[in-house]
Amino acid sequence: NAGVTQTPKFQVLKTGQSMTLQCAQDMNHEYMSWYRQDPGMGLRLIHYSVGAGITDQGEVPNGYNVSRSTTEDFPLRLLSAAPSQTSVYFCASSGPTSGFNIQYFGAGTRLSVL
Amino acid sequence: GIQVEQSPPDLILQEGANSTLRCNFSDSVNNLQWFHQNPWGQLINLFYIPSGTKQNGRLSATTVATERYSLLYISSSQTTDSGVYFCAVERRGYQKVTFGTGTKLQVIP
Repeated sequence: NAGVTQTPKFQVLKTGQSMTLQCAQDMNHEYMSWYRQDPGMGLRLIHYSVGAGITDQGEVPNGYNVSRSTTEDFPLRLLSAAPSQTSVYFCASSGPTSGFNIQYFGAGTRLSVL
Repeated sequence: GIQVEQSPPDLILQEGANSTLRCNFSDSVNNLQWFHQNPWGQLINLFYIPSGTKQNGRLSATTVATERYSLLYISSSQTTDSGVYFCAVERRGYQKVTFGTGTKLQVIP
């Protein structure tokens, strides 16, 4: 099991560019989510999905788009990058493990927008 | 939305010391987890503990759901315990997970 895999690990964008952060999990988890972590702060929920074809907004959804066409993949799209989106992005998945919904995190994507 | 506050925000310990980290939340929850974020940024689940007490080696956690708080105990701390500790809750009736503000722990030799 690879767990939760995020790509790329690092990315530099110019203002106005678009890109997609990839997230894949091989644990057959129904629940997947995207967070951003700014320096010295906790994680804030961007979008989440409770299953293929179902997504919803989190705390800070503006400027981001998601889709969930398969159970395994949950890409995050930046439509027009802004310096305020400079952050570390984490993808997580969760599902019943011994009856508990434990969250597993990817290694993160460090994004800089110039 | 639900508010999740952690204390203390920063903690410096001598190796071998014990500590207690606290997480207060403002509404009923059906899921509470403690995470450790190591100095390289990796987030590792420590406990799933919506209520009751659990222990795993030198770490233990207690959640008193009726009083809306959870405690994480670290005994005989080691330098590898350094990092940031987060609690994260899922409010009852919702499917969004909210993270606390974190406690930054530094264990010095």
